[in-house]
Amino acid sequence: NAGVMQNPRHLVRRRGQEARLRCSPMKGHSHVYWYRQLPEEGLKFMVYLQKENIIDESGMPKERFSAEFPKEGPSILRIQQVVRGDSAAYFCASSMGENTEAFFGQGTRLTVV
Amino acid sequence: DQQVKQNSPSLSVQERRISILNCDYTNSMFDYFLWYKKYPAEGPTFLISISSIKDKNEDGRFTVFLNKSAKHLSLHIVPSQPGDSAVYFCAAASRGNAGNMLTFGGGTRLMVKP
Repeated sequence: NAGVMQNPRHLVRRRGQEARLRCSPMKGHSHVYWYRQLPEEGLKFMVYLQKENIIDESGMPKERFSAEFPKEGPSILRIQQVVRGDSAAYFCASSMGENTEAFFGQGTRLTVV
Repeated sequence: DQQVKQNSPSLSVQERRISILNCDYTNSMFDYFLWYKKYPAEGPTFLISISSIKDKNEDGRFTVFLNKSAKHLSLHIVPSQPGDSAVYFCAAASRGNAGNMLTFGGGTRLMVKP
């Protein structure tokens, strides 16, 4: 039973480019969460999605960031026109239900140059 | 406004001794608490959790204590092993509001010396 899969593991983008981060939840999990970890800080909640629905996006920056979890395929976190401050580790977690344990992927390390 | 705080950025412990990691929170709506362990370049791994209706939960070498009146929880690892060296994150959730959105502390780096 594969765990939460995130790709790519490392992503380098120039300022102004777009970054697309993918997350495939564990089998049977329909709840996906995205977190961001800035250097030397804890993880910060960004967005909570269920299939085809955004449930809570209170942690998402208002501009340039968007997330989706389509009926088929992985969840995507999209960052448009990246800036240096977007450089961070982005972690995805999935769970079977609202109040069941969430399991994390290995993260995508985004570097904006 | 940090709702979950881990005031010790690092902790060094001798092998076989007890490691005690502390965490404080401010939001009284939190009713579920978790500890995660994280190695470099990997995602957080769930260790142990506790509901606010309990004050202690034990799993092998790991025990979590919750003091609701003080809004404080701690993770005890005994005996500590070199393989326990990692960053430990405390996290909290308000499950009464549904969802698994976690608020994390800043982490404590534990170093267990042989």
